[in-house]
Amino acid sequence: AQKITQTQPGMFVQEKEAVTLDCTYDTSDQSYGLFWYKQPSSGEMIFLIYQGSYDEQNATEGRYSLNFQKARKSANLVISASQLGDSAMYFCAMREGRANNLFFGTGTRLTVIP
Amino acid sequence: DTGVSQDPRHKITKRGQNVTFRCDPISEHNRLYWYRQTLGQGPEFLTYFQNEAQLEKSRLLSDRFSAERPKGSFSTLEIQRTEQGDSAMYLCASTLQGEQFFGPGTRLTVL
Repeated sequence: AQKITQTQPGMFVQEKEAVTLDCTYDTSDQSYGLFWYKQPSSGEMIFLIYQGSYDEQNATEGRYSLNFQKARKSANLVISASQLGDSAMYFCAMREGRANNLFFGTGTRLTVIP
Repeated sequence: DTGVSQDPRHKITKRGQNVTFRCDPISEHNRLYWYRQTLGQGPEFLTYFQNEAQLEKSRLLSDRFSAERPKGSFSTLEIQRTEQGDSAMYLCASTLQGEQFFGPGTRLTVL
């Protein structure tokens, strides 16, 4: 089974609107971390937001928030007030237990329409 | 710029040649990772160093691949006898703890 599933290959959003990018995960570990990264066309991976499995509150970082639903094993990224510069690939990733590496999903390409 | 740097940014080589990539992590980060990203996919873990010790290697890291981090600072990734299937973006990341910070990647094209 895939550890990270991103079911939306592409999403469109109108500038200034909010958008939700879906991510579900699969792990048997009780302790894990969930990450979202942004990858513009230039290629670098930019860290956006982190949610720990024991964190009771949803993580927020500026216009980014993570809708963490533990029972559903979902960790959706919400971007509020979309900007043209938000157009990029977005990857959800997980680090399990005491592991060091990240498992990434296949990504969602977000296009912000003016 | 105090971020993760990688060199070269692009490499084109002929099948069968050897290539070497370099990664300079953020200076105080003791953990360093290599990932490979093919078109349309997310990055896949290759290997992990804590200081100079290579502690984990993915099954993706065939015997043609070798990585080093001799002094616990920069790291090199060498691919011997390159194949067309090695064409990908090779990403390096570093961390002290928590989120990993990625470099800009080296895009390898094997002709």
